[in-house]
Amino acid sequence: DAKTTQPPSMDCAEGRAANLPCNHSTISGNEYVYWYRQIHSQGPQYIIHGLKNNETNEMASLIITEDRKSSTLILPHATLRDTAVYYCIARPLNDYKLSFGAGTTVTVRA
Amino acid sequence: GAVVSQHPSWVICKSGTSVKIECRSLDFQATTMFWYRQFPKQSLMLMATSNEGSKATYEQGVEKDKFLINHASLTLSTLTVTSAHPEDSSFYICSASTIAGGGHGQFFGPGTRLTVL
Repeated sequence: DAKTTQPPSMDCAEGRAANLPCNHSTISGNEYVYWYRQIHSQGPQYIIHGLKNNETNEMASLIITEDRKSSTLILPHATLRDTAVYYCIARPLNDYKLSFGAGTTVTVRA
Repeated sequence: GAVVSQHPSWVICKSGTSVKIECRSLDFQATTMFWYRQFPKQSLMLMATSNEGSKATYEQGVEKDKFLINHASLTLSTLTVTSAHPEDSSFYICSASTIAGGGHGQFFGPGTRLTVL
């Protein structure tokens, strides 16, 4: 799987959009970008994934650059419950083996 | 949605004893299950990949004789920590994969916190 790089931490204000960057400059053509998050002392939770088109679901939006070397996860209206560690992972669609990096610790402040 | 459970959610045991952790996919059949370990303030580390009816594949550095994995059915995998020691204290998380998972196919359990005294 391609290596991903994320900032170690970021703060955001409650109610504002949170933009989480991820670099994956060595991503292969068959690798999707997946985002998971882990709230303290819980198992990871799937957020969203995409290949090259921008994606949106009820939780977040995923913006992938045209060259696919980086992406941004957008939480449109952050709440205190969004405080978690967010992981960006690049992997092929049917390869469920995940390699977790350090992720970004997001703290949403009131 | 697909649900994965783990039992127990936490366990405290004495050094030298064995502990079994169960991972169940409640409403789907999992083609593959994975076991992860997470130490405080660290990321998840994959320990092993488990397929129903076959031997688990362990990651480099993970002792297969210490961490016994049994995957007897498409909905149940167990991890047994044998002769546990304080350094085995950790948060153990399983995940189950299915092609019916709406595209991402990977569902995580809530984790089991093991404390070895």
